[in-house]
Formats: sequence, C-alpha cells, structure tokens
Amino acid sequence: AQSVTQLDSHVSVSEGTPVLLRCNYSSSYSPSLFWYVQHPNKGLQLLLKYTSAATLVKGINGFEAEFKKSETSFHLTKPSAHMSDAAEYFCVVTNSGGYQKVTFGTGTKLQVIP
Amino acid sequence: GAVVSQHPSRVICKSGTSVKIECRSLDFQATTMFWYRQFPKKSLMLMATSNEGSKATYEQGVEKDKFLINHASLTLSTLTVTSAHPEDSSFYICSAAGLAGEQYFGPGTRLTVT
Repeated sequence: AQSVTQLDSHVSVSEGTPVLLRCNYSSSYSPSLFWYVQHPNKGLQLLLKYTSAATLVKGINGFEAEFKKSETSFHLTKPSAHMSDAAEYFCVVTNSGGYQKVTFGTGTKLQVIP
Repeated sequence: GAVVSQHPSRVICKSGTSVKIECRSLDFQATTMFWYRQFPKKSLMLMATSNEGSKATYEQGVEKDKFLINHASLTLSTLTVTSAHPEDSSFYICSAAGLAGEQYFGPGTRLTVT
C-alpha cells in the first residue's frame, strides 16, 4: 500500500518569511519522493526529488526537503518566501523501481502576502 | 531540464465526437509516460501508465475503451477520448518518466465537450 498526505490544503505566509509545506507518506517499499509545483493555468514543474541518496535534497528556486524515514515525512521548506512562490504544490511518492506506482498528494496552495 | 509538449493546448468538440491529444518528450526518450486528469481545484488523478510498445495499464475506474492510449515510440504517446461527452470535459496532463522515476509534465490540454 502506498499513500501521501499533505497536511495543509492552504498555507499563507508573508513575503520574506519561511515556508513549510508538510508531506507524510506511507509505502511498503523504499520510496522515491518528489515535490512538484503548479502555477495557475500552467503545467507541473519538478522542484526536487529524493531517490535514496542524500536525505536533505536541494531543489530549484531555493526550496529544499528533508527525507525523514523515522517520521515518514518529506516536508518542503524555503527560508524566505517570494511572491512568485505562490502556487499549488504537490508531494508525490513512487515505489522503488521508479514509476510502477505513482501516488499524488492532494496539494497545498501557497499564498504569499506582500 | 527535460521538456514535454502537449498538443493541442485547448480543444472544443461536440458531444459524440473523438479527440486525440498528443504528448511528446522533446529532448529525451521516455519508455514510460503517464496520463492524468485534473479537476478544478483538485489534485491529479492518474488515468493510465503507458509503456512504449505495449498496452497501457489503466487505473481502476478508467474506461480503457473510452480513453485509448497509444505509445508507439519513445517520444510520443497519444490519448484519444472516444465518443466524448460533456462530463469528459477536463484538464488532461501527460508526463514522461525520467531515469530516477521523476516525471516531466506537459503543459496540459483543456478539453471542453459541448
């Protein structure tokens, strides 16, 4: 069984303050984990990925995520929010072997207040 | 990064007609492509996994005779919505799998059935 839970459907932060988007997963196998971002009326873009290498993963646009097996978490963080970060963020898990089973989280909408 | 295109970006068709959507990986070869459907303010719903040269694997509840998928080459997968009805109106997104299980998404196709 495999599942992804994004704990917050909406997150609102002020520009310049830290961002935390939470993601918990369950997987019967060694998972690969990803964060994607979707801006309004746009396609999805890969932010970062964890594939059993370093547990702290750095992605594009200053985002990073830490894989914590003991907590089954893969939270996305950024030290300082920018207006352009306002978007929908999806946490995704796949089982080992890559793309045999893909599960999307329900998404977290990030609002950045000027 | 890897680029995936979709064509058309928008299509309007009459009820009962069929519509074909193309998904192309422009600068890499993709053994596996995915087709998703995204409802307004909802997460992506995986419809099927398409492997080059073999039959697509459909998710439970997705009618394979209605949503025909062909993955004839390593850079092209097509989704044909047959005998479209208004309830098929949606945003359809494809992705192509990278070597580490990450997905590169197309920009999506907005289908409206009148």
